[in-house]
Amino acid sequence: GIQVEQSPPDLILQEGANSTLRCNFSDSVNNLQWFHQNPWGQLINLFYIPSGTKQNGRLSATTVATERYSLLYISSSQTTDSGVYFCAVEKINDYKLSFGAGTTVTVRA
Amino acid sequence: DAGVTQSPTHLIKTRGQQVTLRCSPKSGHDTVSWYQQALGQGPQFIFQYYEEEERQRGNFPDRFSGHQFPNYSSELNVNALLLGDSALYLCASSQGLSSYEQYFGPGTRLTVT
Repeated sequence: GIQVEQSPPDLILQEGANSTLRCNFSDSVNNLQWFHQNPWGQLINLFYIPSGTKQNGRLSATTVATERYSLLYISSSQTTDSGVYFCAVEKINDYKLSFGAGTTVTVRA
Repeated sequence: DAGVTQSPTHLIKTRGQQVTLRCSPKSGHDTVSWYQQALGQGPQFIFQYYEEEERQRGNFPDRFSGHQFPNYSSELNVNALLLGDSALYLCASSQGLSSYEQYFGPGTRLTVT
């Protein structure tokens, strides 16, 4: 199956700092999604971004499909940004999401 | 616009018992996928239902089975529960089998004692 690697595994930030999370994948994909999992387990959709760049408030994401990676940027981090961020990809004609192990982000006041 | 809903929220079962989890997809969606998330790990794909048929299956034993109803809602059944089945079970819905965005429900936390 497709391999999805996220880095770093853990990230500790001071409130107001910027950060970059990375997702590498081992095969061509036609779907890539970024999620934020809250403490209750709910996966919140952040971006559906199989290619290109998108921005939503303080968050933005870029996927370079030809080089098989995606980046999630968090700017001016807030304590509410704490949680686990997952990258998930769908291999072409596979129709299921394969998740990375996640990046645990802790934002300190 | 109702999102994906799951029931129950929490469940405690004894080893060897059977359990049924339920999922209603987001309005307008007709495909339901189930995932298992063990503590500290990313979700793992169990299976996917479309047009009331299992279309894809991950590496899970036959103890895990499912069903999709004409209204697109779905059930996940697990027989002969093992301690290792303790996990958060997530349901996701999407539109058709094409590569569209998947939306997840809040999950059912299953504890097997």
